[in-house]
Parts: sequence; C-alpha cells; structure tokens
Amino acid sequence: SQQGEEDPQALSIQEGENATMNCSYKTSINNLQWYRQNSGRGLVHLILIRSNEREKHSGRLRVTLDTSKKSSSLLITASRAADTASYFCATDAGTYKYIFGTGTRLKVLA
Amino acid sequence: SAVISQKPSRDICQRGTSLTIQCQVDSQVTMMFWYRQQPGQSLTLIATANQGSEATYESGFVIDKFPISRPNLTFSTLTVSNMSPEDSSIYLCSVLTGAATYGELFFGEGSRLTVL
Repeated sequence: SQQGEEDPQALSIQEGENATMNCSYKTSINNLQWYRQNSGRGLVHLILIRSNEREKHSGRLRVTLDTSKKSSSLLITASRAADTASYFCATDAGTYKYIFGTGTRLKVLA
Repeated sequence: SAVISQKPSRDICQRGTSLTIQCQVDSQVTMMFWYRQQPGQSLTLIATANQGSEATYESGFVIDKFPISRPNLTFSTLTVSNMSPEDSSIYLCSVLTGAATYGELFFGEGSRLTVL
C-alpha cells in the first residue's frame, strides 16, 4: 500500500498546549497537504507545502517537510477545544491523485 | 475554491440493494474523485471520475461494483451496487482545484451509508 503512516494515532492534550503530529510517506511527491476532519464529516484543507519548501506557517499551524526522510510534521500551537478533530496528511505521489495517511485523532481537553 | 453538495447525506440500506450518490460542484472542475472512508479509518481512493469517458478505478475497486458517471464538469454520481454490510462507509466526493503541483482538494460533506 502507498498509504502514509501518521503518528501518533491518537493524542490527548490540555487546552493551551501544543500538538504535534507526524506523517511519513513512501514515494516522491510534488506537494504534501494537511486536512482536518470533524466527527466523520467532510475534510477541510489546512495547508499545502511543496516539495521544495521546508517549512510553512498559517496562523497557529506550522508544517515542516523533510523530503530526504519522506516525512512531515504538523504543529498546532496554543490548542483550543475546537481543534478536536482527526488530522490527515495527503501526498500526490507525483500524480494528480492524492493518497491519505492513516490519520491522528486529536482531543483537546478544556 | 469550490463548494460541493452531496446527496444523500446519509442512508440506511438493505443488503443486496444499490444506491446512487450525487455530487454537484458550484464551478467547472477538471478532476473529480470518489473516496471511501470505512468506520474509524482513513480515506481510500475509489476512482477518478472522467468527464465523458469511463472512470479510472484504483486497485481493489471495479466498475461493476462502483459504477461512476460524469456527464459534465460539475456533476458526478457514484453507485454502490449489490450492497453488503462491508460497504457501510462514508463516501466522499472530492475535486482538485489548480494543478497537481499546487492544487488543493475540496470535499463534500460525505454520504454515510449503513447497510443492514
């Protein structure tokens, strides 16, 4: 399977703490994207990082990409209860088709 | 950006029946995809819906089980045929905006199917 692996599978933190989740993938990519899914609903795009970028920021989100290790991380700073969701990375594997990672279930406790 | 409407949002179906899910996009898009998300799992790509031609299926998915139509650049349907309880999943329509090198996927809210 080309599916990426994410860790941890589940993460529980207190409000105000930072949350870090990691994604590893298997093939060369053009870009890597992170998505959020609330309670089995549709996915919401968070951030896209291209293969020639190493770090990207968007609000409280920070994404890093290490193509030599085929890995990425998503950092959510100063987490809020509303950040409780599942987070998925997705890679294009060099084509227009996107393959999703296994996901991290984040729970932020108020 | 793109706004995607999926119908039905949820349904309970009997074993052996078929159900068609509709996906309507508010703008013309080149690439449309259908994903399946089994309970507690990640998304698995079923197929790419091609306008005016047969869909391109991923390994493990076949046209007889998941026939797809895409009559134009804003609409697609996915049929889940001869359903069994193992087909209970969320089915998600997705579109790619922009080029593959910098495009992002937009998703519908999904269609949650429960097969009894």
